[in-house]
Amino acid sequence: LAKTTQPISMDSYEGQEVNITCSHNNIATNDYITWYQQFPSQGPRFIIQGYKTKVTNEVASLFIPADRKSSTLSLPRVSLSDTAVYYCLVGDLGKGDSSYKLIFGSGTRLLVRP
Amino acid sequence: EPEVTQTPSHQVTQMGQEVILRCVPISNHLYFYWYRQILGQKVEFLVSFYNNEISEKSEIFDDQFSVERPDGSNFTLKIRSTKLEDSAMYFCASSSRLQTVGNSPLHFGNGTRLTVT
Repeated sequence: LAKTTQPISMDSYEGQEVNITCSHNNIATNDYITWYQQFPSQGPRFIIQGYKTKVTNEVASLFIPADRKSSTLSLPRVSLSDTAVYYCLVGDLGKGDSSYKLIFGSGTRLLVRP
Repeated sequence: EPEVTQTPSHQVTQMGQEVILRCVPISNHLYFYWYRQILGQKVEFLVSFYNNEISEKSEIFDDQFSVERPDGSNFTLKIRSTKLEDSAMYFCASSSRLQTVGNSPLHFGNGTRLTVT
């Protein structure tokens, strides 16, 4: 079972770059790392996913070192609307090929101040 | 962009009553999930569903819970006899294939807030 550890909370200011690091020491060989964002009273929203090295999309970048035991979500130039909870998830295979579940940790509560 | 839709957005029920929460997953998705989130707590996995059967379930998903895909579009969660502690946001999610294959993340709906009184 690949568990994740993230900081409970982070503060930042508008326009700054925010980096949230997640550790996942027991990541399995075929697990992907996925980050979700959640606003109050809404469902989690997919941000980015990666397996190794670096992935970038229009919203964020994801840095994964060679040992894959951690990953860092980078949000460039945050705005007030980026205030949310950010979850790092690693795949958790169930009993069979079709059995799968994602386990959410406690997430990182990011507060962006003006 | 296609999305997962859930109804109702808010359901109030009395303890002991049965509730059915409804979800319409994204149309070409094959894997379906229910999660719940008690106020102020983390998102908890309940059940995954594939090929018309439960693939995986958590210890939360006891005999009071059941899931069904009654037709080609809906995916439902039934709680047979609600308890006060079932009060939570219930999120449905779907994905096109196993998460361990890249580029197939879970897409979540905006949830049903269940209040048991």
